[in-house]
Amino acid sequence: QITLKESGPTLVKPTQTLTLTCTLSGISLSASGVGVHWIRQPPGKALEWLALTYWNEGERYSSSLERRLAITKDPAENQVVLTMTNMDPVDTATYYCGYSNGWLVHNWGQGTLVTVSS
Amino acid sequence: IVLTQSPGTLSLSPGERVTLSCRASQNVGNNYLAWYQQRPGQAPRLLIYDASRWATGIPDRFSGSGSGTDFTLTISRLEPEDFAVYYCHQYAISPLTFGGGTKVEIK
Repeated sequence: QITLKESGPTLVKPTQTLTLTCTLSGISLSASGVGVHWIRQPPGKALEWLALTYWNEGERYSSSLERRLAITKDPAENQVVLTMTNMDPVDTATYYCGYSNGWLVHNWGQGTLVTVSS
Repeated sequence: IVLTQSPGTLSLSPGERVTLSCRASQNVGNNYLAWYQQRPGQAPRLLIYDASRWATGIPDRFSGSGSGTDFTLTISRLEPEDFAVYYCHQYAISPLTFGGGTKVEIK
């Protein structure tokens, strides 16, 4: 069974950098065709796709947030890290990581709520 | 690709049939269009992928159809657990995108 768990701060201040970690269980990040996404959802609003790290094809990013995002893999820890710079209150959201075989997200983590406030 | 879902909200009774629409701003290659269900306080759950294929464990009262730019999710008979928000999602072209969602609420 493939599971994912997000971890990171629940509160960050405006202008700070957010670092979130997604820990994957039940499958290796190095396996063929494995991708991990980050997706967020502001309270009461729709899902927004942020980024993907896919097997041996590198990274993809949201066009509107590309300059603020970085997604990296740590195969030794079976983890994927998302960093988002220059956080703003509008970035307050539940952040999810998701597993894909190919680009389709099959499994989701439980999500972690990040609040941006001074 | 911008995905537009309609309507925004549907108020229905258990047992009714419901049809949700998702329109893409350009062709979704290979019909790489998925539908997710999200209940309050939960992460989304994959229902349909490749426009019409059932994800594992999804009951057959859910069905997906469409191609190109117009896609539909149909629930043949609403069960109490089906009242939720439904999102379409294209995974054909980066950046990947989600629709704005349709809320199916109890009338």
